[in-house]
Amino acid sequence: GAGVSQSPSNKVTEKGKDVELRCDPISGHTALYWYRQSLGQGLEFLIYFQGNSAPDKSGLPSDRFSAERTGGSVSTLTIQRTQQEDSAVYLCASSPNRATTDGYTFGSGTRLTVV
Amino acid sequence: AQSVTQLGSHVSVSEGALVLLRCNYSSSVPPYLFWYVQYPNQGLQLLLKYTTGATLVKGINGFEAEFKKSETSFHLTKPSAHMSDAAEYFCAVNTGGFKTIFGAGTRLFVKA
Repeated sequence: GAGVSQSPSNKVTEKGKDVELRCDPISGHTALYWYRQSLGQGLEFLIYFQGNSAPDKSGLPSDRFSAERTGGSVSTLTIQRTQQEDSAVYLCASSPNRATTDGYTFGSGTRLTVV
Repeated sequence: AQSVTQLGSHVSVSEGALVLLRCNYSSSVPPYLFWYVQYPNQGLQLLLKYTTGATLVKGINGFEAEFKKSETSFHLTKPSAHMSDAAEYFCAVNTGGFKTIFGAGTRLFVKA
């Protein structure tokens, strides 16, 4: 696609429920990143996918968080048993390859509210 | 380890005045440096980047930034603020690995 697409744009869920957030990167971009943006804070790295390699999950805050990327394209971030502290904007970004000089193209994010 | 510090969570300027957003980084190796802008309810958009070469880099919307190694700084400037510049700005650093570290952001307010 022309840009990075994320869905849903907004999600309100009850504490304890599971949620799935979707990211569709730019076609041909092999690198995909998930970041979390909490109110008044910067971007917190969550996970990185590069092609068909095993993802780097070093930023996932707990085992309630997981992510997958199917066919080297679409990615889904899953949060199980959501907690109020999970409320944030979840941003997905992609880049043409592992090279870091290109910068990222970000989606508009999913605003998650846990009530 | 690399890190980024943005001085001032909020900056307010008058329309037509100079915009200066400060960014200092920490890195043990030559860094790649970026500025991103985020408008309300949107993702981040790349404004400009420094990788190698000329230390003064120009970006979109009239913004520019200068890499000063001796000061470990990468401040963002624009000579004359416009109302449409009101947004949040993020400085970011990468040292060649896959992970880019972002600052906490500076919200720019532009007064008429």
